[in-house]
Amino acid sequence: EAGVTQSPTHLIKTRGQQATLRCSPISGHTSVYWYQQALGLGLQFLLWYDEGEERNRGNFPPRFSGRQFPNYSSELNVNALELEDSALYLCASSLFRSSYNEQFFGPGTRLTVL
Amino acid sequence: AQTVTQSQPEMSVQEAETVTLSCTYDTSESDYYLFWYKQPPSRQMILVIRQEAYKQQNATENRFSVNFQKAAKSFSLKISDSQLGDAAMYFCAYTGGPNTGTASKLTFGTGTRLQVTL
Repeated sequence: EAGVTQSPTHLIKTRGQQATLRCSPISGHTSVYWYQQALGLGLQFLLWYDEGEERNRGNFPPRFSGRQFPNYSSELNVNALELEDSALYLCASSLFRSSYNEQFFGPGTRLTVL
Repeated sequence: AQTVTQSQPEMSVQEAETVTLSCTYDTSESDYYLFWYKQPPSRQMILVIRQEAYKQQNATENRFSVNFQKAAKSFSLKISDSQLGDAAMYFCAYTGGPNTGTASKLTFGTGTRLQVTL
């Protein structure tokens, strides 16, 4: 069974540009989560999508947004990139209706903002 | 708000020895789950072990076991017979139960980097 996949592996952008990161969940999983892992800040929850809807978001500005498609894959968009957006972005998926909401992670996208 | 604290930024253990990684958490919820995730240098986050708060018995997965002290809000990970492949960043994480407001997200500690030496 294929795991969570993310693309691209690496992404280099300049300040002010927009970045789009993609995630495909494990087959059958309807929930997708995005986390930011910035140096020195640990892992922080960004967004949660389930059944095509944004269900919850972390403490991030509105320029962080995304969507979930009918096939449950997801996109994370970061507008007006700032230097501090440089981080590893991890996507996870789960069966939300499961009893313990175990999340399975992808390998991440390394975003570098110059 | 829920918080997770890992007070050991780095730990070292010799191969075949036992090491314990510490984690404390704070929550007002009564229904929650605790996890230990491993992130090797290849960066793919892997679930090591989970503990349901309502279960008194400590979880065990092969060489990995936890010491869950609910009253003290402590959740330590013990790795027995350490192997070179155990070298990684270990994260303690919390999520609320299905009917709580925090069910949708994991709250992570800052991680403990484990080195395994020969």
